Amino acid sequence: EVQLQQSGPEVGRPGSSVKISCKASGYTFTDYVMNWVKQSPGQGLEWIGWIDPEYGSTDYAEKFKKKATLTADTSSSTAYIQLSSLTSEDTATYFCARISISRRDFDYWGQGVMVTVSS
Amino acid sequence: DVVLTQTPPTLSATIGQSVSISCRSSQSLLHSNGNTYLNWLLQRPGQPPQLLIYLVSRLESGVPNRFSGSGSGTDFTLKISGVEAEDLGVYYCVQSTHAPWTFGGGTKLELK
Repeated sequence: EVQLQQSGPEVGRPGSSVKISCKASGYTFTDYVMNWVKQSPGQGLEWIGWIDPEYGSTDYAEKFKKKATLTADTSSSTAYIQLSSLTSEDTATYFCARISISRRDFDYWGQGVMVTVSS
Repeated sequence: DVVLTQTPPTLSATIGQSVSISCRSSQSLLHSNGNTYLNWLLQRPGQPPQLLIYLVSRLESGVPNRFSGSGSGTDFTLKISGVEAEDLGVYYCVQSTHAPWTFGGGTKLELK
């Protein structure tokens, strides 16, 4: 069974960084690209970027290029997103979601991680 | 960036009613490889989104066949043939043809 298990809720001070994990199981980690999606409270979905775990290649939406850093550890089948220079605008739920290269379909999602930025 | 416009933003339906949601793109979603990467997701309250339809009209495994997708180019439609209580939530279209990938604003399906 495919599962994407994300880490627990985070509270970060303004100006600090947080790192969220997404541990994959039930499939070959390097066969799929991992995406990250942001959902601000009461709002819609916003694509942050993706990482290809096999090659370490990444792509980001322009507005997240200085905010998010995507990495992956193939030895533990875990993808990470680090959010830096936190502001109140970063308070949101962050999802990981895998896609297949052929279908580009977001077929499995993590449960989401709530990040709260508060002093 | 590609802008996806979903209509209506809110949809009220009775159980058993058939409904449609529109997703219009600011540019064609036909990829140079011949595929059109337009997906439909459902997000139930408090849950992560789940995939319903991929490549415009292909039903994801395990999704009831009352859901169907259609369209081409810039105009796409999700149809639910006979709404059931478990279908309530917010529906999103998302395109993965042109980087950056983008989501529609969502359509909230409520019970009338």
